Amino acid sequence: QQQVKQSPQSLIVQKGGISIINCAYENTAFDYFPWYQQFPGKGPALLIAIRPDVSEKKEGRFTISFNKSAKQFSLHIMDSQPGDSATYFCAASISGGSNYKLTFGKGTLLTVNP
Amino acid sequence: DVKVTQSSRYLVKRTGEKVFLECVQDMDHENMFWYRQDPGLGLRLIYFSYDVKMKEKGDIPEGYSVSREKKERFSLILESASTNQTSMYLCASRNYGYTFGSGTRLTVV
Repeated sequence: QQQVKQSPQSLIVQKGGISIINCAYENTAFDYFPWYQQFPGKGPALLIAIRPDVSEKKEGRFTISFNKSAKQFSLHIMDSQPGDSATYFCAASISGGSNYKLTFGKGTLLTVNP
Repeated sequence: DVKVTQSSRYLVKRTGEKVFLECVQDMDHENMFWYRQDPGLGLRLIYFSYDVKMKEKGDIPEGYSVSREKKERFSLILESASTNQTSMYLCASRNYGYTFGSGTRLTVV
């Protein structure tokens, strides 16, 4: 059972455009939703995260939109740059307790053309 | 910054070998994790540990075991390597967010 579904699998955007990556989850107990960015040859790095008590979080050009009723959240990259070309993973977890393990989506390969 | 160090970037092993992948973190985190990453499948959790000598199975533990004798070190063990274990292995430690190592690309021939 895939608990976090991510789309699209790949995305090509022109420089200056908006990149949008979507995720849907099934487990209503999830209460922490991070996005990770991974460059080739590197491990994933935390980009931005949101909790379900807010509908949107913005950090620079990166925004997470969260729709609790639809069990969906998305990453928007404004003014996309070639340096944003990477693989992006959404994830979800249940906070509290000592485990706090993340369940990841399958990833989106973003290419930003100059 | 938290640093998570995986001892090898690339490994080539033969089928049936016992393989050890080592991971060390320098921030006294209690939680450590091993994931494997395969194209089109994302990151899948193999095992995690929330304290010294404590471990729990993740989603795909078959064919793997782990060891955590010291808080800073979490080892992944492939008891008898098989070709379907060829993959990128990522270690992570967690305080507020996850910090990942750079990965070990293992090829089993």
